[in-house]
Amino acid sequence: DSGVTQTPKHLITATGQRVTLRCSPRSGDLSVYWYQQSLDQGLQFLIQYYNGEERAKGNILERFSAQQFPDLHSELNLSSLELGDSALYFCASSVGGTVGEQFFGPGTRLTVL
Amino acid sequence: DQQVKQNSPSLSVQEGRISILNCDYTNSMFDYFLWYKKYPAEGPTFLISISSIKDKNEDGRFTVFLNKSAKHLSLHIVPSQPGDSAVYFCAASAVGNQFYFGTGTSLTVIP
Repeated sequence: DSGVTQTPKHLITATGQRVTLRCSPRSGDLSVYWYQQSLDQGLQFLIQYYNGEERAKGNILERFSAQQFPDLHSELNLSSLELGDSALYFCASSVGGTVGEQFFGPGTRLTVL
Repeated sequence: DQQVKQNSPSLSVQEGRISILNCDYTNSMFDYFLWYKKYPAEGPTFLISISSIKDKNEDGRFTVFLNKSAKHLSLHIVPSQPGDSAVYFCAASAVGNQFYFGTGTSLTVIP
């Protein structure tokens, strides 16, 4: 158990809908990262927050947004969903904001029908 | 543009033998590299890391080798055990920047 929790574990929704994925980092970790893993793909970095502020942005679509709250939990919002958004979404956390080991949650599997 | 590549999607090794997983990268600015292990239905877990000032880092049965001139790193597992069967991801970053992950290599250790 990494100490990072993600809810829900599974999510099935329809095209055009909007969903919110939630992540609680390990106690004491200030950074939260979001990754997308599509079929046969590596982990694609989406976005990082550090202590409530956006720190780095990767290949995140404009239809996606995220935020980190004062209690350090984070939410990833995915809107106008398309079939291609079906993937595993992982959240990870780390103590610092730059280089270092990241601790991953178990992921949320999103299926868009 | 895949900046970190794992060209072998799968690898099978006999228990007790050496497993060698390979990873290539294209960005010469990368200076920190990690390996993660992932079991089904779980998130990746950190295994071992290496910074660019070293060419080898060892932790028990796991050793990571870095060849900067070839932009290549490898993970050696000796001896391999059935519990090592998992998907292994390599990742790389430049200081202060995001991590780039490879597509993973599925290792099967045959008892």
